[in-house]
Amino acid sequence: DAGITQSPRYKITETGRQVTLMCHQTWSHSYMFWYRQDLGHGLRLIYYSAAADITDKGEVPDGYVVSRSKTENFPLTLESATRSQTSVYFCASSESPLEQFFGPGTRLTVL
Amino acid sequence: QKEVEQNSGPLSVPEGAIASLNCTYSDRGSQSFFWYRQYSGKSPELIMSIYSNGDKEDGRFTAQLNKASQYVSLLIRDSQPSDSATYLCAVNIFANDYKLSFGAGTTVTVRA
Repeated sequence: DAGITQSPRYKITETGRQVTLMCHQTWSHSYMFWYRQDLGHGLRLIYYSAAADITDKGEVPDGYVVSRSKTENFPLTLESATRSQTSVYFCASSESPLEQFFGPGTRLTVL
Repeated sequence: QKEVEQNSGPLSVPEGAIASLNCTYSDRGSQSFFWYRQYSGKSPELIMSIYSNGDKEDGRFTAQLNKASQYVSLLIRDSQPSDSATYLCAVNIFANDYKLSFGAGTTVTVRA
């Protein structure tokens, strides 16, 4: 199916573990984004990418790593998960580049 | 000062009424403005974009932009229970950038 997908949809992990959240889009959009959404903070940009092999930091990048070797994939890795990284993570893509379309989200809990 | 601010909710309106949502932004250079709708437990969905001063209508939704006042609004006419959601205002803060800054959202409840 066309669109943007995220996996896993739900993840529980422990402090200190490495976690990778996957994002895949079938539109061949150039731009991709990772956000986290927390009560009281709204959506905050973690990292973004303008094309394969081009990534840049957003508002809250500390503790996260991204890569983009293929246009359609944009994985987000938490190198050593902390409780403060418990959140809902949304991936988005766009071609316009501003009209962003969001994936279904991943709910991550760090114990 | 936050880059994008929305009127605090929740906003409760009767079915059939007009819901009015407001958003202000800090950077006069901003050029592009968006409204997203987010149902509880779901992802944000783009419903309106506006780039020029004035009104833009799409079905029951009207976006209004006033760059001089740094103000963008969303009107929902003939509100329906299915409009009950959180509405997020998004602005590209820097004119030459494609990152969006989001407001905290306004939760709308349409009561039957």
